[in-house]
Parts: sequence; C-alpha cells; structure tokens
Amino acid sequence: GAVVSQHPSRVICKSGTSVKIECRSLDFQATTMFWYRQFPKKSLMLMATSNEGSKATYEQGVEKDKFLINHASLTLSTLTVTSAHPEDSSFYICSARASIIPGNEQFFGPGTRLTVL
Amino acid sequence: QQPVQSPQAVILREGEDAVINCSSSKALYSVHWYRQKHGEAPVFLMILLKGGEQKGHEKISASFNEKKQQSSLYLTASQLSYSGTYFCGTEISSNTGKLIFGQGTTLQVKP
Repeated sequence: GAVVSQHPSRVICKSGTSVKIECRSLDFQATTMFWYRQFPKKSLMLMATSNEGSKATYEQGVEKDKFLINHASLTLSTLTVTSAHPEDSSFYICSARASIIPGNEQFFGPGTRLTVL
Repeated sequence: QQPVQSPQAVILREGEDAVINCSSSKALYSVHWYRQKHGEAPVFLMILLKGGEQKGHEKISASFNEKKQQSSLYLTASQLSYSGTYFCGTEISSNTGKLIFGQGTTLQVKP
C-alpha cells in the first residue's frame, strides 16, 4: 500500500511556541490531505481538509489562525500549531487521498504526539 | 453527525467471532473501516460503497445497508492480532473523502 510519513513523530515544546508538523505522501501524489486530532482513548476528530494549491477547509470549532495548514505540493502538507498551549497537547494524524476516484482509500501517517509544557 | 458504534468494547477468546456495528443518522455515500493499535496510526481494512455491497478479506468481512445507514464488520475465528480499536469512518457527501469517525470499539482477544 501507499506510504505516508509524518515528522516529527514526537515533540515537546514550551507554552507559547509554534510547532510545525509535516505530512508527506512518499510514493503517490495526494490531491487531498486531511488532518485529525485524537485524544487518549478517543476517536479521530477531523480538523481540516487540505487541497494542493488552495486554502484549507476547517471543521466547525477549529481555529484556522491557531492551526495553520499549508499544502504546498502534491506530496506535502504542513500543520503549524501557533502559540501552543497545554490544551493543544494531543496526537495529530494526517491522511492522504490519492485521487478523486470514488471510494478511494485514505492512507494514514504514523502520527505526531505533541506535548506542550 | 458522528456515527454510533456498538458495542463499545468486546473481549473474545481466540477463535471466537465478533460483530461490530456502525450506525449513522445521515445518508451515507461510503463506509471505511480501520483498526488502530495503541500509539499507532489507524490501518485501513476496507471500504464499502453505496449499493449495499459486502466485502471480505480472509476472516474479516463487512456489509453496508445504505437504506438503514448501517454497516457491520464481521470478525471470524479471531486471532490475537485482531486486538485493537476498530473505527468506522463515514462519508456523507460523494467523493469528498471527508470521513467522520465513530467513537471506536475496543476488541481484546485473549489466548
């Protein structure tokens, strides 16, 4: 299957700093990438949909100025958590979709665990 | 809008069967099933598209009843490796790829 990578896998930062998370599709071009957030023992909550070359679409309740998403190419999307606070600590996972073929599966990255002190 | 999964948790002995259900209050275009192990990313199991199809992969199969807006995942002759949390992801609009996940069903298979 297709491979999606995320970097870093784990990050610890001080409150008030910004953190950038990269999501790359390694062997396919991703027309769409999705960013999810997952709290311990909870479900995956969709944060935003990222399309190459256009602005991301954010889900209700997700602050777009807080979580900046850039989809610079067909293989790279980045999520920047700006001015991070302890409540932003979570597991962030991206997924990538290869094409617009109906029913095409999403491939998930390994996730990034963010801890804000 | 979040689909409801049942049961929330199940414990099995190796070789036993299990069924996990996923119900939505919205009309569905597709249902995606994933398994996630602790601390890892979800792993894709299968997709079911509108049309009431049923799919199978070895001892794991699934059905999709679009009229009832329900999908079920069937695990037969469970193995220890089946342990994990199972999520259904529902797609409401056609071809958006946007998935809304259920709360998850934790499956534990014991020797």
